[in-house]
Amino acid sequence: GAVVSQHPSRVICKSGTSVKIECRSLDFQATTMFWYRQFPKQSLMLMATSNEGSKATYEQGVEKDKFLINHASLTLSTLTVTSAHPEDSSFYICSAREPSGTATGELFFGEGSRLTVL
Amino acid sequence: AQKVTQAQTEISVVEKEDVTLDCVYETRDTTYYLFWYKQPPSGELVFLIRRNSFDEQNEISGRYSWNFQKSTSSFNFTITASQVVDSAVYFCALSEAGYGGSQGNLIFGKGTKLSVKP
Repeated sequence: GAVVSQHPSRVICKSGTSVKIECRSLDFQATTMFWYRQFPKQSLMLMATSNEGSKATYEQGVEKDKFLINHASLTLSTLTVTSAHPEDSSFYICSAREPSGTATGELFFGEGSRLTVL
Repeated sequence: AQKVTQAQTEISVVEKEDVTLDCVYETRDTTYYLFWYKQPPSGELVFLIRRNSFDEQNEISGRYSWNFQKSTSSFNFTITASQVVDSAVYFCALSEAGYGGSQGNLIFGKGTKLSVKP
């Protein structure tokens, strides 16, 4: 199946710093990617939909200025957690649909990135 | 509104026992997709199955089987002769075709943690 890769898989940072997480579709082009957040022992919640060449669509309650999303190419979306605080510590997972641009394509998930803010 | 309920938070079985993970969903759409994912301790999401709303045929894949019942809005997952390697969190998810602008993002249940003891 298609491959979605995230980097880094783990990151530890100090409070107040910014952290960038990359999500790449390795063998297909993705006009849309999804960013999910998973709190410990919780389910995955959609944070935002990343759209290639345009602004991301954020879910209600997600701070746009805190979680910056950039989808600069058809194979790369980035999530930047700005001025990170301990409450931002979480497991972030991206996904992309293949074939892209359809509601019926299969959703492939990255490996996830565990962020720990000290 | 769309909703996925996994009433079982944690299940513990002994190896070789059969176990069924329950999933009940809510949707107003007539066209939708149901999924099961496995999340082992390493964190990545492993796709197990996708079923569209028009296909109520039960499916079997090795030790895994799925029972889709539209009449009760359920999509239950059974593992036969469970093994220690089956220990993971299992998520049931729903995707509505053409949901909003997100082209069918996934709505996850809260997950069921399965522990299979030797």
